[in-house]
Amino acid sequence: AQSVTQLDSQVPVFEEAPVELRCNYSSSVSVYLFWYVQYPNQGLQLLLKYLSGSTLVKGINGFEAEFNKSQTSFHLRKPSVHISDTAEYFCAVRNTNAGKSTFGDGTTLTVKP
Amino acid sequence: GAGVSQSPRYKVTKRGQDVTLRCDPISSHATLYWYQQALGQGPEFLTYFNYEAQPDKSGLPSDRFSAERPEGSISTLTIQRTEQRDSAMYRCASSKFADGVETQYFGPGTRLLVL
Repeated sequence: AQSVTQLDSQVPVFEEAPVELRCNYSSSVSVYLFWYVQYPNQGLQLLLKYLSGSTLVKGINGFEAEFNKSQTSFHLRKPSVHISDTAEYFCAVRNTNAGKSTFGDGTTLTVKP
Repeated sequence: GAGVSQSPRYKVTKRGQDVTLRCDPISSHATLYWYQQALGQGPEFLTYFNYEAQPDKSGLPSDRFSAERPEGSISTLTIQRTEQRDSAMYRCASSKFADGVETQYFGPGTRLLVL
């Protein structure tokens, strides 16, 4: 069984400030890790993914995430946010040999001017 | 098509009615997933298809829920005798393999409200 915990349900920040959205997971098998973004009235869009190799992965829109195996974490970061980053962000894990994903409950990022 | 499409985008129905939701995946994608997302929660797996085969339907919450993909392309999710607890966003995703890794592409979802 797998589980994903997103530690913050709401994260308000000011424009141009840095942000970190936290994600912890548990799994008894090897997993791939993902972050998705959902803008209002749109579908989930893949931001970035960790499959193997370098623990720091870069995604779209200036986001990056770091995989920490010992802490079973995959926190999402951006050094300077924009108003347009306001959205809901979902962390997800998937077995390396199975297709279905397990999602966290989401973090709503609100960027204020 | 260019992306995954779902219809209807919104559905309001009365308790006890049957509803059918449709997913049109990206045309080259063999695998299709259905997820249910309750308000304030993340998507939860319902079932998936490889072409027309349905290897895993362990996430379907009851026998009122069923899904089909008869020709390995468009899929439907049917909920019989709807209940208020079925109110949720229903998400479809199709996927492709590249370099041995699967990437899922999500549709916009169907928001179902059962009164």
